[in-house]
Amino acid sequence: DAKTTQPPSMDCAEGRAANLPCNHSTISGNEYVYWYRQIHSQGPQYIIHGLKNNETNEMASLIITEDRKSSTLILPHATLRDTAVYYCIVRLTKHFYNNDMRFGAGTRLTVKP
Amino acid sequence: SAVISQKPSRDICQRGTSLTIQCQVDSQVTMMFWYRQQPGQSLTLIATANQGSEATYESGFVIDKFPISRPNLTFSTLTVSNMSPEDSSIYLCSVEDAGRRVNYGYTFGSGTRLTVV
Repeated sequence: DAKTTQPPSMDCAEGRAANLPCNHSTISGNEYVYWYRQIHSQGPQYIIHGLKNNETNEMASLIITEDRKSSTLILPHATLRDTAVYYCIVRLTKHFYNNDMRFGAGTRLTVKP
Repeated sequence: SAVISQKPSRDICQRGTSLTIQCQVDSQVTMMFWYRQQPGQSLTLIATANQGSEATYESGFVIDKFPISRPNLTFSTLTVSNMSPEDSSIYLCSVEDAGRRVNYGYTFGSGTRLTVV
């Protein structure tokens, strides 16, 4: 199973872009990179996912390196409400029906005024 | 995306007792997942529940301690049996949300905060 490595914590100034890195050097060709966040006392919230190409949605952008060994989640204009723990997950695909999602330690992002 | 209702949202229980947590989804889903989040920790997968079959448990979790029911495609329960203070955690259910795209992602319930005294 591919593992992910994230910095334990990061700070970001309100209104600035938050760039959260993730290393997944053992990722295999059919594994997706997912990002979730967990705001205090809530269940995790899906943010974005990708396979090879960069992805963007209303919440964030996901940049995946060409070798797929690392990725960066970008929150373009961080607000105080973006303070949360951000999880980078590589999805297991040993069996196509085995869709469980496994969480690492994540990065605690603090957005400061 | 799917909407999950999880009950109870929190409970304080005596050691040695059992608590059943309910997870209701507003749409039919093939698989439901149960996670545990111990204080200050990340989420750990307990088991995967398919409708009409036995749940599949992860290493370190057993059916006698965490029996799971999955009677239909929109509902599941997780029971925490013979509780001890070490079972104090947040328990979350999750479903895969197919949405409009394959591999869209997972939706999580808001969790059940369990304190065992």
